[in-house]
Amino acid sequence: DIQMTQSPSSLSASVGDRVTITCRATQDISSWLAWYQQKPGKAPKSLIYAASSLQSGVPSRFSGSVSGTGFTLTISSLQPEDFATYYCQQYHSFPLTFGGGTKVDLK
Amino acid sequence: EVQLVESGGGLVKPGGSLRLSCAASGFIFSSYYMYWVRQAPGKGPEWVSCISTSSSYTYYADSVKGRFTISRDNAKNSLYLQMTGLRAEDTAIYYCARDRRQYQPENWFDLWGQGTLVTVSS
Repeated sequence: DIQMTQSPSSLSASVGDRVTITCRATQDISSWLAWYQQKPGKAPKSLIYAASSLQSGVPSRFSGSVSGTGFTLTISSLQPEDFATYYCQQYHSFPLTFGGGTKVDLK
Repeated sequence: EVQLVESGGGLVKPGGSLRLSCAASGFIFSSYYMYWVRQAPGKGPEWVSCISTSSSYTYYADSVKGRFTISRDNAKNSLYLQMTGLRAEDTAIYYCARDRRQYQPENWFDLWGQGTLVTVSS
C-alpha cells in the first residue's frame, strides 16, 4: 500500500500569511494526488486534483505543486474561512490512501 | 440540487450488522463510480470501498474485505453498504462520495454526503 505522510501535522498562522503544507508518498504516484479541506463537523471538500489543477469554484489563492518526491499545497494569503484541516489523497492505485492531515489554526 | 444523503447509521453491538444507504440527486447517478469513505473520531479519512457504474467491479480496503459489501441500484439512484461482523474499530462517520469524472473513474472525490455515524459498542 502507498503511505501518504503530511507535514506539519499542525500549524498556527495569521490572516494574510502564506501557508505551505507538504505531502509525500512512499512510492512514485506521478501526479495522481488530490487535496481536500475539512472543517469541523463537515465532509471534506475537494480543492486540487492532478497535483496542481484547481477544482472548479475554489479560490485562486489555493495552489498545488510537485517538488521532487513531494507535493505541496500553498495558500498564498490565508483568509478567515481557510482555518481548517487539509488532507492529501493518492489515487495512483488501490487502496486509495489519505495523509494524516494538517490542521491550520489561528496564531 | 446536486447532493448525496446518507442514512442508516446508529449504535450496534460488536459482531452485529448494519446497512447504510446513500441517496443521490441532481446528477446522472448511473454514470459515476461511487465510493464509501469513513473517518474515525479525530482521524483522517479512510477509503472503504468502490463500485463501478454497472456494478461489474467492486473494490474493498483490506480492513473490511469479506465483511462489507457495496452495491447500488441505479434505478433508485442509491448506493448501499452492507456491513457485517462489525468491530469497535469500524466506529466512524461513513461518507458516500462521487468520482469526479463520468464513466472513466479518476478515483478521487468531488462530491461528498454529510455522513452517517456508525458506533460499534457493547
